[in-house]
Amino acid sequence: GQQVMQIPQYQHVQEGEDFTTYCNSSTTLSNIQWYKQRPGGHPVFLIQLVKSGEVKKQKRLTFQFGEAKKNSSLHITATQTTDVGTYFCAVVNQAGTALIFGKGTTLSVSS
Amino acid sequence: DTGVSQDPRHKITKRGQNVTFRCDPISEHNRLYWYRQTLGQGPEFLTYFQNEAQLEKSRLLSDRFSAERPKGSFSTLEIQRTEQGDSAMYLCASSLGSGNSPLHFGNGTRLTVT
Repeated sequence: GQQVMQIPQYQHVQEGEDFTTYCNSSTTLSNIQWYKQRPGGHPVFLIQLVKSGEVKKQKRLTFQFGEAKKNSSLHITATQTTDVGTYFCAVVNQAGTALIFGKGTTLSVSS
Repeated sequence: DTGVSQDPRHKITKRGQNVTFRCDPISEHNRLYWYRQTLGQGPEFLTYFQNEAQLEKSRLLSDRFSAERPKGSFSTLEIQRTEQGDSAMYLCASSLGSGNSPLHFGNGTRLTVT
């Protein structure tokens, strides 16, 4: 079935450093979504990417969808302690009925 | 928008007991999903409803699990004869539109089976 691989699994940075997480698929994706889950919280939708090569920005967060629509990245510039959490990518399953989530990248930030 | 609400937040039960969780989705959303999440993993799809119809079940949903969404409003997830391996966070999510639509998750029900 459809699945996505996320790397790295964990990342620790000093506040102010940049952070990037990658999501890779062996098949071409129709779109990809990113979610953030704070410690003890539930996943919260961040963004959806649809077009090949698409780049979207939300303040310090930059999301990219690969030209071949098989990979995506989330880059955070100048991390803050509020960025702590686990970032998941999610893609629709082959039936087009439900989202399949990656295992996530857990970001920790020390000040 | 009151968001997706789930009840209870926590449930501790002994192995072999039955448990039932409830989810109230965002009122105008037509799709309702159940996911399970264990430590260090992403949410795993269990089942979904479009209005009152249960349209898909994951192979993770054994015959001890049953879900309902009467009248296309709230949903319940029941686990019969619980096992320790059922311990997890059970997340409900709702969306408006298709399987590609963004999900709005509830706070989840954390189940601990002793």
